[in-house]
Parts: sequence; structure tokens; C-alpha cells
Amino acid sequence: ELKVEQNPLFLSMQEGKNYTIYCNYSTTSDRLYWYRQDPGKSLESLFVLLSNGAVKQEGRLMASLDTKARLSTLHITAAVHDLSATYFCAVERDGGFKTIFGAGTRLFVKA
Amino acid sequence: DADVTQTPRNRITKTGKRIMLECSQTKGHDRMYWYRQDPGLGLRLIYYSFDVKDINKGEISDGYSVSRQAQAKFSLSLESAIPNQTALYFCATSARGGLSYNEQFFGPGTRLTVL
Repeated sequence: ELKVEQNPLFLSMQEGKNYTIYCNYSTTSDRLYWYRQDPGKSLESLFVLLSNGAVKQEGRLMASLDTKARLSTLHITAAVHDLSATYFCAVERDGGFKTIFGAGTRLFVKA
Repeated sequence: DADVTQTPRNRITKTGKRIMLECSQTKGHDRMYWYRQDPGLGLRLIYYSFDVKDINKGEISDGYSVSRQAQAKFSLSLESAIPNQTALYFCATSARGGLSYNEQFFGPGTRLTVL
């Protein structure tokens, strides 16, 4: 059974600091996704990671994938308040027939 | 205009009532999904459809049914609503093929309260 675990589930950090969110999954996967959800809003896609060693960066966010360790990380550099949101990783397998979301990491960046 | 729309956006109903949530998309995607979101549980898949003639159960399909009326429309029904179906419901779509297929695009959500 595919399980996806994120940690931490809640993160409060100061502006300007760096931090990493972790996403572990239990079986082999085809793709891994990161999504962002602002409070009261829908989810929007941040990154699609297709293969081992993949790294994607957008602004202060960088995502990476290690399929051997079954681990993806979302690194936040010099956090700003606008990054406050809930971040979900989602793992896909079986050609897209199964996509499982993690519980989400609620990030709060204090000014 | 939004690519994925959901109606209604908010709904309060009573136990035992039949409810339909509707989703429409203009992205031209073949694949459509219904999820529910509960605090601390992430998103859980209710049903998904990979084309008009294809309907599949997700993790938590009991108490729900769906209809794929057209490529662009996917409806979720609660035949007899119960209070533990109170949640935020999202519709999503994804493309088939290409490097980023199955990257999902979400509607704005429907907040459903069952009293």
C-alpha cells in the first residue's frame, strides 16, 4: 500500500530563515508533485519531479527527488511572509491510476 | 474565466438529503477527479475518471456516486448525506500524455456542511 508522510505537519518560522519540508513515501513511484494551498483557497501545482535526482527551483522554493531513498524535499530559502501556506506532496504510481497526497505541511512565516 | 469550476461553492444541507456537486472544465483534459479534504488528513480521492466511459473508485467511495456526462463535466452525488460527509470537496483535472501528465489542476472547492 502506498503511504505518503510529510514532516513537519506544522512549521512556524521567521522571515529570512531557511528550512526544509520532507516527503517520504513507502513504495516505488512514477512521479512526485508538490502543491501549494493558500488559506481558504484551492491547490495549485508548484513542481513536477519526474526522475531520480530531479531538482526544480522557483523563487525561494527548491524541490528535489531521491527515488532510492523514497524521499522528496522542499527547501525554503530566506522565507518571506508570502510563502505562508499549506504545502502538499503527492506521489503517483501505476501510470497515474493512483496518486496519494500527504497530509500537508502548514507553513507560517512570521514577519 | 477559471479553467475548472465547481458549483455550488457552499452548501448546507440536512441528513438524508440527496446532494449533487458539479464540476466543469475548459482545459480539454481527459482525466477528472473528486477529492475531499478534511483538516489534518490531506486530500483523499473519492472517484476518478480517465475518459467519458471510464469511472473508477478511489480510497473513500462509499456513500458517493459520480457521473461523467461529457469530457468537460464530472458530477459527484451524495445519495443520502450524513454529517461525517461534511468537508471541503475539490474537483481536479489532468492531461493524458506529455512529460507533466497527471499534474492536477484544481477547482475552487465546494464547502459542504451536513447538519
